[in-house]
Amino acid sequence: NAGVTQTPKFQVLKTGQSMTLQCAQDMNHEYMSWYRQDPGMGLRLIHYSVGAGITDQGEVPNGYNVSRSTTEDFPLRLLSAAPSQTSVYFCASTRRQGGTQYFGPGTRLTVL
Amino acid sequence: EDQVTQSPEALRLQEGESSSLNCSYTVSGLRGLFWYRQDPGKGPEFLFTLYSAGEEKEKERLKATLTKKESFLHITAPKPEDSATYLCAVPTLTFGKGTMLLVSP
Repeated sequence: NAGVTQTPKFQVLKTGQSMTLQCAQDMNHEYMSWYRQDPGMGLRLIHYSVGAGITDQGEVPNGYNVSRSTTEDFPLRLLSAAPSQTSVYFCASTRRQGGTQYFGPGTRLTVL
Repeated sequence: EDQVTQSPEALRLQEGESSSLNCSYTVSGLRGLFWYRQDPGKGPEFLFTLYSAGEEKEKERLKATLTKKESFLHITAPKPEDSATYLCAVPTLTFGKGTMLLVSP
């Protein structure tokens, strides 16, 4: 099993550009989530999903969209990137609500 | 709203010098507390889950304990390879800010 995979590993955007961060898992986990990690702020929840077709907002959802069309994939979309979205983004999955989370390797995003 | 607070923010130890990291939490009905290890440039990796006060779990030089208000991660005779950031979390996907541990040889 590859576990949780994320692409790209690094990305540089200009303000106003859009992009999609990809996340996939091969463990047949129903629950998936996106976090951003900033120095001094820890991991903060952006959006999460409890199954295909079901998503909800976390602590810091503004500026981000998600969809979940399959169990395996949970992409995160930035519609109009802003410098405040410069961060490291982690995707995670878990078998059950409140269970152990398995994290991807992260995407380091810089918005100029 | 669930809150998780970790202390200290950073800890520097000499190899072999034992210490403890703290994670205090405020949740409505604890249904588990998680400890993760995060190495630089990588995603967090699961260490332990504790479910009830008094529970303890061990892995090599690490032992996690849980009370009704806080959890401790005890590190016994640490080695440089134990250097990492240690995160605690509750099931509502709320994480503490972490403790950055540096163990010097």
